[in-house]
Amino acid sequence: DQQVKQNSPSLSVQEGRISILNCDYTNSMFDYFLWYKKYPAEGPTFLISISSIKDKNEDGRFTVFLNKSAKHLSLHIVPSQPGDSAVYFCAASGKEGAQKLVFGQGTRLTINP
Amino acid sequence: GAVVSQHPSRVICKSGTSVKIECRSLDFQATTMFWYRQFPKQSLMLMATSNEGSKATYEQGVEKDKFLINHASLTLSTLTVTSAHPEDSSFYICSADYQGGGYGYTFGSGTRLTVV
Repeated sequence: DQQVKQNSPSLSVQEGRISILNCDYTNSMFDYFLWYKKYPAEGPTFLISISSIKDKNEDGRFTVFLNKSAKHLSLHIVPSQPGDSAVYFCAASGKEGAQKLVFGQGTRLTINP
Repeated sequence: GAVVSQHPSRVICKSGTSVKIECRSLDFQATTMFWYRQFPKQSLMLMATSNEGSKATYEQGVEKDKFLINHASLTLSTLTVTSAHPEDSSFYICSADYQGGGYGYTFGSGTRLTVV
């Protein structure tokens, strides 16, 4: 049972344009969501997170939107840069103290010059 | 800050041998560390939660006798793959929550295990 789903395995975007990565979840007990960036043979690097009490969080070029009613979150990167090419994972955790992260399958983002 | 060091980054071992992977929190104390496994082009799957001074908690389907976890100090957790087989070949990653409460995860750089 895949509780966190990233239905797009890959995404290709032109440099300078907006990249939108999507993530859906099924468990209504999730209340904290994170996005990670990962290069091959490396551990994930934290990008941005959002608590369920918010619907938007912004950090520089990265913005995460959360739609609780739809159980959907998205990561917007604008403007996209070649260095953003990587695999992006969304992850979710439960109520405070649960600590376990559940990851989506990942989306490979390619930024074309 | 909040660095997790994982070693080795890459290891090749013969079938039937055991391999130990270390995960250290360099600038913070981690009472809890997590071990993940990633198959090619797949998600990170949580294998077990490592608790300092107590037994690890394994996820369903993970063989605790095959994947031995020891968390003897607040800065070190080890994962030992015992009697390794080719199907154990994978990318193993550890992480720790440096903020507590589930809000500050940082990951090690991962270990590529190849069993031949």
